[in-house]
Amino acid sequence: AQSVTQPDIHITVSEGASLELRCNYSYGATPYLFWYVQSPGQGLQLLLKYFSGDTLVQGIKGFEAEFKRSQSSFNLRKPSVHWSDAAEYFCAVGVYFRAGGGNKLTFGTGTQLKVEL
Amino acid sequence: DTEVTQTPKHLVMGMTNKKSLKCEQHMGHRAMYWYKQKAKKPPELMFVYSYEKLSINESVPSRFSPECPNSSLLNLHLHALQPEDSALYLCASSQDSEGQDTQYFGPGTRLTVL
Repeated sequence: AQSVTQPDIHITVSEGASLELRCNYSYGATPYLFWYVQSPGQGLQLLLKYFSGDTLVQGIKGFEAEFKRSQSSFNLRKPSVHWSDAAEYFCAVGVYFRAGGGNKLTFGTGTQLKVEL
Repeated sequence: DTEVTQTPKHLVMGMTNKKSLKCEQHMGHRAMYWYKQKAKKPPELMFVYSYEKLSINESVPSRFSPECPNSSLLNLHLHALQPEDSALYLCASSQDSEGQDTQYFGPGTRLTVL
């Protein structure tokens, strides 16, 4: 079974500083990886995804992530954080359910980002 | 357009009430999902529908009853809920294509069971 670990429960950065959120996954085959962001009381917004190909993927809001198979990691980065980036960030691995259709997302426990002005 | 809509935004119900949550998407997606999310926790998958048929039921109690009337709509019927069922209920949809499937989430319904 697949699993996702986000080692950092909380991270605080100053506005304008760089950011890296860590994500490690466990899955036997090629993983489909996602980063979602959630503001309080809101739904999840897709930041970026990796299926195959270029291991550095670009997303919305200036975020990027790098897939490293050797380290089973998919870390999220942003060169300069804005106060509006404060939110909960979830890494997820997706597995397609061939028997019936649809896919199962397994989420990490999330990282709460606080931005200091 | 990657919009999934959910109604109502907020719902308060007693343990003997019957209510329904609704979800709609117009992206032509063929898979739809219900998740439950407790505070400070990641979403937990409840049900998956693929081409209007129930594909996955994650051992959810029978007081939650999903329904997919057509490819654009997904309902979650609630009956005899418990206070511990209070949570944010999220709906999502995806194309249902192996290898490239991406789920898009709605804003959620905040449910409080008294």
